[in-house]
Amino acid sequence: EPEVTQTPSHQVTQMGQEVILRCVPISNHLYFYWYRQILGQKVEFLVSFYNNEISEKSEIFDDQFSVERPDGSNFTLKIRSTKLEDSAMYFCASTRTGEGGGNYGYTFGSGTRLTVV
Amino acid sequence: RKEVEQDPGPFNVPEGATVAFNCTYSNSASQSFFWYRQDCRKEPKLLMSVYSSGNEDGRFTAQLNRASQYISLLIRDSKLSDSATYLCVVNPGLRGGSNYKLTFGKGTLLTVNP
Repeated sequence: EPEVTQTPSHQVTQMGQEVILRCVPISNHLYFYWYRQILGQKVEFLVSFYNNEISEKSEIFDDQFSVERPDGSNFTLKIRSTKLEDSAMYFCASTRTGEGGGNYGYTFGSGTRLTVV
Repeated sequence: RKEVEQDPGPFNVPEGATVAFNCTYSNSASQSFFWYRQDCRKEPKLLMSVYSSGNEDGRFTAQLNRASQYISLLIRDSKLSDSATYLCVVNPGLRGGSNYKLTFGKGTLLTVNP
């Protein structure tokens, strides 16, 4: 079964440092997403990406965040200057279609646990 | 009103029990509805999409009531392996204002005991 792959699985960084979280979406998917989940809280939408541009972003996704698809396979989330409150699990996802991914839903990666100290 | 609201739980049931999860959503124009399952410290995984006509997949039955903005999930004959957090998830769709994002409920933790 095709998978969304995320690296690293766990990253510890000092406050103020830049981090890049990496994702390889499923190859024939067209829509890409980042979500985050702070420990004990709900999964929250950060950003969606389609046709090489951001299609939608949430209030959380401020100027500290950026996304990029540098080549045909990788999809990255950069946090420029990390804060303690950025500590969370970050999930990448991809879908073939919009509207929640239709009958197939989203395929999420296994996540990157970001710890900011 | 929260965008997606679920029973807070947790639910503790014996094996073989029937358990029901309830969910309400605030955006009446929402188009797509799902139940996801999330194991501890893992990614959410799609359990089933939810249709107005209701749908069933083995021991799992999902219902949608658009008039009441209510979604339900029923698990019959629960197994130890059903222990997880069940997430009610809504996609507004184009008519609801967002084609792209999923809005998650906080989830209801289910523990099935031997």
